[in-house]
Amino acid sequence: ETGVTQTPRHLVMGMTNKKSLKCEQHLGHNAMYWYKQSAKKPLELMFVYNFKEQTENNSVPSRFSPECPNSSHLFLHLHTLQPEDSALYLCASSQDPGGVGYEQYFGPGTRLTVT
Amino acid sequence: AQRVTQPEKLLSVFKGAPVELKCNYSYSGSPELFWYVQYSRQRLQLLLRHISRESIKGFTADLNKGETSFHLKKPFAQEEDSAMYYCALSRNNNAGNMLTFGGGTRLMVKP
Repeated sequence: ETGVTQTPRHLVMGMTNKKSLKCEQHLGHNAMYWYKQSAKKPLELMFVYNFKEQTENNSVPSRFSPECPNSSHLFLHLHTLQPEDSALYLCASSQDPGGVGYEQYFGPGTRLTVT
Repeated sequence: AQRVTQPEKLLSVFKGAPVELKCNYSYSGSPELFWYVQYSRQRLQLLLRHISRESIKGFTADLNKGETSFHLKKPFAQEEDSAMYYCALSRNNNAGNMLTFGGGTRLMVKP
């Protein structure tokens, strides 16, 4: 598998469940990102990891917990979510966390529905 | 705080007509701007970036700092250009290349 992969592609969970989203990049990149895409809002950056270290938490509620065990894998652990958390969650990676104009490569996303 | 605005949610044109997708931004630093595109059933991907001053698939975009705009243009639209287009601003620093996206414009090119 090449590029950025995300599993599962679809997830339905209850408000009391605990689940995890997984992202893997096969591009040798150093930075990874989680974005949230809701129906009525622009794509929002949630977290940034730079060489496995979290460098940005964009005021995300604690019911979302990211984990980056190495530069190729990124997880988003979910617990006690709310229905308004239903959205498409996108993972992305880039070659260099700093620098100028580096392209971000996106995964296909996980469509999350909270019931 | 940085902000990216795409005033049109939907833009519909006929094949062969010129296209301009508008993007305005607000940012106190030196902006780096991008256009990303999402074709039907495909993932979001980079179309072009302002620092490259390139033309991709016939599209160009010029950064106008005076008007704080980065409009995307193509002189003759093709049906395969139908897609969702997102303007994005990078508040780049050593911690990461953090993109702020606009709300997106859906371009429909009719035959």
